[in-house]
Amino acid sequence: QKEVEQNSGPLSVPEGAIASLNCTYSDRVSQSFFWYRQYSGKSPELIMSIYSNGDKEDGRFTAQLNKASQYVSLLIRDSQPSDSATYLCMGTSYGKLTFGQGTILTVHP
Amino acid sequence: DTEVTQTPKHLVMGMTNKKSLKCEQHMGHRAMYWYKQKAKKPPELMFVYSYEKLSINESVPSRFSPECPNSSLLNLHLHALQPEDSALYLCASSQDPSGGAVEQFFGPGTRLTVL
Repeated sequence: QKEVEQNSGPLSVPEGAIASLNCTYSDRVSQSFFWYRQYSGKSPELIMSIYSNGDKEDGRFTAQLNKASQYVSLLIRDSQPSDSATYLCMGTSYGKLTFGQGTILTVHP
Repeated sequence: DTEVTQTPKHLVMGMTNKKSLKCEQHMGHRAMYWYKQKAKKPPELMFVYSYEKLSINESVPSRFSPECPNSSLLNLHLHALQPEDSALYLCASSQDPSGGAVEQFFGPGTRLTVL
């Protein structure tokens, strides 16, 4: 089992909808998680970090961590075409940061 | 200053060339990283420096040689590369030397093409 797994998508949502991105992790992954957004040809950009169980909101973004079920998710409300990108979930395992495979999100007008 | 810079942005080199990639951060971070990213894949960790000492080498071939001259600078020396080494090379930094709970911040990357 991969240590951090993402639903690989691709995910397509209409403008204004909620986009839901999910990531599951193995027992070996410690419970600090980060969501990065990566536009094509660009480097990853940190958009959310979450360390404790529950929800964390920042503008249109909400990260959710559920330790019992071993998943972390990112919700994007009022999705915009500019949100179209690859979203990478990242967790720590034995002190090393491990990326999921990424989910390609397309927001169509 | 919350930025990680990398030079050059693009690099084309032959298999017999020697070149270097450079990375700089002025955030006072004590951990710095090199990643390699191929198209449609997540970044792969190559090296981690913690307090200017190499702490992780992910079994990277010796044709890649990292160097950390001081706490703000990180270099990656390249020699006798192969075409399959063509990729986006990313530098990142973080506060936490253990590379654990603290966020990493990425530079813009160097797009490397090996002919």
